[in-house]
Amino acid sequence: QSALTQPPSASGSPGQSVTISCTGTSSDVGGYNFVSWYQQHPGRAPKVIIYEVSKRPSGVPDRFSGSKSGNTASLTVSGLQAEDEADYYCISYAGSKNFVFGTGTKVTVL
Amino acid sequence: EVQLVESGGGLVQPGGSLKLSCVASGFTFSGSAIHWVRQASGKGLEWVGRIGGRGNNFATSYAASVNGRFTISRDDSKNTAYLQMNSLKTEDTALYYCVRSPDGYNLAYWGRGTLVTVSS
Repeated sequence: QSALTQPPSASGSPGQSVTISCTGTSSDVGGYNFVSWYQQHPGRAPKVIIYEVSKRPSGVPDRFSGSKSGNTASLTVSGLQAEDEADYYCISYAGSKNFVFGTGTKVTVL
Repeated sequence: EVQLVESGGGLVQPGGSLKLSCVASGFTFSGSAIHWVRQASGKGLEWVGRIGGRGNNFATSYAASVNGRFTISRDDSKNTAYLQMNSLKTEDTALYYCVRSPDGYNLAYWGRGTLVTVSS
């Protein structure tokens, strides 16, 4: 199972929006609505910010949104804030109780 | 409060074995799937494997990179999950996280990790 493809980096100024893609195949992203997104600050454990493509856990700001089209899932962070600077990872169910992570994207707030 | 505490990491020689533990609290352990995820220093996250709860017959699945070398188990009476790692390679060096998944698909709650170093 190959890692899902994410852009290595993304950036935006405070208040702007940034969108991160997560591209897989019909065997993972395209085949199931079990894509989650994680935010990881340096030295910290990852934190789920989106699950099942577009659902937000309680406590996660609605600035974070998720979507999917075909074999590509996307995470959009609107109204960028300084604390959004972090690494972001997607993960997808890949069938037979297997999962695969994305390659990760470093988001920089300019 | 949900808590997951990993332990058992350390330095081991290539070809050696190590067993990690994950002690859980704050939720009904038997009802949740438990995943193991690892992260090499400065690198991305890698899914290692998972074990289902009682309702899933404790089914296990593994990433291809560890299949046949790693085994996940659980003892619901001790609220503990385990990751037995055999035939360790230098590329297994990483911080290993234990993760609770209430529905089997959403890796919702993460421990702080335990560091495994494979080196001679």
